[in-house]
Amino acid sequence: AQKITQTQPGMFVQEKEAVTLDCTYDTSDPSYGLFWYKQPSSGEMIFLIYQGSYDQQNATEGRYSLNFQKARKSANLVISASQLGDSAMYFCAILGSEKLVFGKGTKLTVNP
Amino acid sequence: GAGVSQTPSNKVTEKGKYVELRCDPISGHTALYWYRQSLGQGPEFLIYFQGTGAADDSGLPNDRFFAVRPEGSVSTLKIQRTERGDSAVYLCASSLMASSGEQFFGPGTRLTVL
Repeated sequence: AQKITQTQPGMFVQEKEAVTLDCTYDTSDPSYGLFWYKQPSSGEMIFLIYQGSYDQQNATEGRYSLNFQKARKSANLVISASQLGDSAMYFCAILGSEKLVFGKGTKLTVNP
Repeated sequence: GAGVSQTPSNKVTEKGKYVELRCDPISGHTALYWYRQSLGQGPEFLIYFQGTGAADDSGLPNDRFFAVRPEGSVSTLKIQRTERGDSAVYLCASSLMASSGEQFFGPGTRLTVL
């Protein structure tokens, strides 16, 4: 079975600074995918970034990058140059057996 | 719009009643997923369809929950004899295929059982 652990219930960051949201995972599958989703107060889950377990390079998507450390089973999300609109819940998820298993999330607040 | 749509956006019902929640996936997506998100938690898997058949229903909490996708497009999640503990946001997602990875989520249906 897969498991995601997000140990930061809440994080604060100043506008324009970078922030790292932690995620560790557990799986026995040799091949898997890791995802980060953003959930604003409106409730919709917005896909941010994906990392495949066999990808040699860390994934990047604009201001989002994924710090993938396979040996440590961690997949931290780095948001650079934070904006006020980044304030939201952030969920890490692992794809196993075609279904996503999510962590409990981290609430990010960007201060002006 | 071209995204996943869900209706209704909100549903309030009384304990013991029957409810149906509808999901319309992105056109051409063969895989469809249902998740449930309780307050303060991440979404939890309920069931997924590849085409018309339920490929994995291991997340359905009990036999009061049932889902169908008769024509391989729209899906309906059905909850019988609702209980207060069923109150949650029910999220639907779709992907091109089950193994293609990225799942696109709808806005969810907030179910409140009084």
